[in-house]
Amino acid sequence: NAGVMQNPRHLVRRRGQEARLRCSPMKGHSHVYWYRQLPEEGLKFMVYLQKENIIDESGMPKERFSAEFPKEGPSILRIQQVVRGDSAAYFCASSSGGYNTEAFFGQGTRLTVV
Amino acid sequence: QKEVEQNSGPLSVPEGAIASLNCTYSDRGSQSFFWYRQYSGKSPELIMSIYSNGDKEDGRFTAQLNKASQYVSLLIRDSQPSDSATYLCAVPNSGGSNYKLTFGKGTLLTVNP
Repeated sequence: NAGVMQNPRHLVRRRGQEARLRCSPMKGHSHVYWYRQLPEEGLKFMVYLQKENIIDESGMPKERFSAEFPKEGPSILRIQQVVRGDSAAYFCASSSGGYNTEAFFGQGTRLTVV
Repeated sequence: QKEVEQNSGPLSVPEGAIASLNCTYSDRGSQSFFWYRQYSGKSPELIMSIYSNGDKEDGRFTAQLNKASQYVSLLIRDSQPSDSATYLCAVPNSGGSNYKLTFGKGTLLTVNP
């Protein structure tokens, strides 16, 4: 029973490049969440998606960040024109339901912008 | 602004002792509460969930919830060096956005052999 799978585990990008982070939810889960963990800070909600739908993107920066969860394939968090401040650990979580249900996290993608 | 507060620690306990981790939250309408363990450089791992006032025990872990005081705690009995990690309290928002977890900044626990 595979857990939440994220790749890549580590990603290095130069300023101005694009970063694509992928997440496959746990089997049987159709709710996906992205969280960001900055150094010395707590986990912060970014976006909640179900298949082909963005339910809540209130935690996403207004520019350069986008997310999708297509009918087929993994969820993608895309960061365009990365800046040094985007360096962080990005975690994906999934759950079987959207409300008060347990969310399980993937191993994360550690993005470093140089 | 929903808030979840934890003592940042570090909390240091000797091996075999009871470690007590505390968390307070601001959203009175929250209905469920989660504890995650995060080893350095790793992902958060769900270790306990609690939904009702009182105690919930799972092995060496006991979660305690007091909704009137907006307080949730995690007790780790017979602490082991392998329990050394950061413990994160997570609380879903109440109302229509209760899929959204608000995390505390975590308490760093060190168990000394």
